[in-house]
Amino acid sequence: SQKIEQNSEALNIQEGKTATLTCNYTNYSPAYLQWYRQDPGRGPVFLLLIRENEKEKRKERLKVTFDTTLKQSLFHITASQPADSATYLCALGESNYQLIWGAGTKLIIKP
Amino acid sequence: KAGVTQTPRYLIKTRGQQVTLSCSPISGHRSVSWYQQTPGQGLQFLFEYFSETQRNKGNFPGRFSGRQFSNSRSEMNVSTLELGDSALYLCASRREGVYEQYFGPGTRLTVT
Repeated sequence: SQKIEQNSEALNIQEGKTATLTCNYTNYSPAYLQWYRQDPGRGPVFLLLIRENEKEKRKERLKVTFDTTLKQSLFHITASQPADSATYLCALGESNYQLIWGAGTKLIIKP
Repeated sequence: KAGVTQTPRYLIKTRGQQVTLSCSPISGHRSVSWYQQTPGQGLQFLFEYFSETQRNKGNFPGRFSGRQFSNSRSEMNVSTLELGDSALYLCASRREGVYEQYFGPGTRLTVT
């Protein structure tokens, strides 16, 4: 069956360290993958998109990798700050713009 | 530029009633998608509208319906509400040809 898995437990990281979140999928052939941030009571906010033919994408302190052989994407936040605390969602996109979403990982950055 | 707006923000309904939620996309965005989000679940896709036509539909019962108007504003309707329909309903708009979606704040629906 098709499945997208993100760390279901909250990830606790010390301020200043690198936070790494994982998104694994099975039985999908995504054309691209997106990462979003969601704060409590708010809608998700787009962060980064990476296409199937790209290995890595960066934006300021954020980095995303995409390994279509392992069927995995890693999302890194370097020099993490308490303001980075939120739930992070990955979403796979296939050919028709429709996204399939993971359940999200709650990230807590401790001062 | 104004973001995606959704009304109402909060709603309490009784089982068996119906409800209509509204979404105004970002100006120039003609695609509007609706999602249901419940605790511990990923966003579940309901449907997408583009130029007043439903383009994609998720696996939800026929009680869930939607429409889009000529100004790209969209409404979602749920009839015969069930307790399990309690959720955050999100709408997202995007520009055609662009993958990035812009979300509204959502409507929190509680069914009692």
